Amino acid sequence: LAKTTQPISMDSYEGQEVNITCSHNNIATNDYITWYQQFPSQGPRFIIQGYKTKVTNEVASLFIPADRKSSTLSLPRVSLSDTAVYYCLVGDTFVGSSNTGKLIFGQGTTLQVKP
Amino acid sequence: DAGITQSPRHKVTETGTPVTLRCHQTENHRYMYWYRQDPGHGLRLIHYSYGVKDTDKGEVSDGYSVSRSKTEDFLLTLESATSSQTSVYFCAISDIPPNTEAFFGQGTRLTVV
Repeated sequence: LAKTTQPISMDSYEGQEVNITCSHNNIATNDYITWYQQFPSQGPRFIIQGYKTKVTNEVASLFIPADRKSSTLSLPRVSLSDTAVYYCLVGDTFVGSSNTGKLIFGQGTTLQVKP
Repeated sequence: DAGITQSPRHKVTETGTPVTLRCHQTENHRYMYWYRQDPGHGLRLIHYSYGVKDTDKGEVSDGYSVSRSKTEDFLLTLESATSSQTSVYFCAISDIPPNTEAFFGQGTRLTVV
């Protein structure tokens, strides 16, 4: 089962680019990499998902190297409103060939953006 | 926004009393989840369901039970609430986890006094 490791916390300043790296050494061939964002007092929300190389949307970019053992979430020019917890999810739902559907989020990375 | 509703949104209860939280979805998603969130612990999975009457334990299931008698409703019950169960509880739904998006409810803040 794939497990993820990401920093517990990060600080940044407004206008800077923030990169949060997630390690997933045991990622399986069929696994996608998914990132969620959680603002205070709200449930997490999906922000981006990828399988390989680079994915970009209006919120973030996701960089995945060829070996897929890590991924980097990139937030361009952060603002105070990007202060949130960011979770990286990889696989972890399959037992053998059966999808249990068990979603484990872990602690995530708390990003604090300062003025 | 995905059709997922938690009730109640806030509850204060006394130690030893039973409490039931409800999650209702209108998306017809197969999988439903209950998480708790406490400072310093991130989101921890309590129980989840992979279909009607099909449930399984998560990371922190002791003291909690669940039921899913129909696709749209997933109930979380604290049989005898304790102060350690004071937390924010989130329900989530997903169609084909983990490769499809999971949608979360607004959360229920439960205080056990």
